[in-house]
Amino acid sequence: AQKVTQVQTEISVVEKEDVTLDCVYETRDTTYYLFWYKQPPSGELVFLIRRNSFDEQNEISGRYSWNFQKSTSSFNFTISDSQFVDSAVYFCALSDRNPGAGSYQLTFGKGTKLSVIP
Amino acid sequence: DGGITQSPKYLFRKEGQNVTLSCEQNLNHDAMYWYRQDPGQGLRLIYYSQIVNDFQKGDIAEGYSVSREKKESFPLTVTSAQKNPTAFYLCASSLTGTGGNQPQHFGDGTRLSIL
Repeated sequence: AQKVTQVQTEISVVEKEDVTLDCVYETRDTTYYLFWYKQPPSGELVFLIRRNSFDEQNEISGRYSWNFQKSTSSFNFTISDSQFVDSAVYFCALSDRNPGAGSYQLTFGKGTKLSVIP
Repeated sequence: DGGITQSPKYLFRKEGQNVTLSCEQNLNHDAMYWYRQDPGQGLRLIYYSQIVNDFQKGDIAEGYSVSREKKESFPLTVTSAQKNPTAFYLCASSLTGTGGNQPQHFGDGTRLSIL
């Protein structure tokens, strides 16, 4: 099974619609970290948010919100009132340790391509 | 401004040729990383370095080599042994490489193609 599964490969929405990008992860580690990154057409990845495994508080930042649910191993990302500039590929990533290993490794999902139609 | 600079933006490789991708950071980060991204795929780790003069293989290190002689620099060489090098290469850095909670900051990438 993949460690990080981004359920949707591609999503298209019309401007001003809300859209949720789903991310499901798998780990045996008890302390881990989850990230979301945005990759616009220019190519660089832009860090959006980090969530610690021991902090299930949801977070809102402007039009962005994140829903972390440990019980379902999900870390979903919602964009409200979507805009054309939100068009990008969004990556969910998990930082955890393999059993017996001391160091953390970051594993990325395959990404969700979001197209916002004006 | 602090950041990560990758060069060149586009690179073409001939058969049997080694090419080197440059990555420089002025964020004073200890850890640096190289990823490969293929269309429709996530990022796969090639090599990483947690400290100067030390580096470790990632998931797909075969056909690649790196060095870390300076904190600011982490060049990646794509050797002739890498039979399918066409991809988008991203360099990243983080404050430390051991805590797991440090976000990685990325450069603009280098797109490598075969002539």
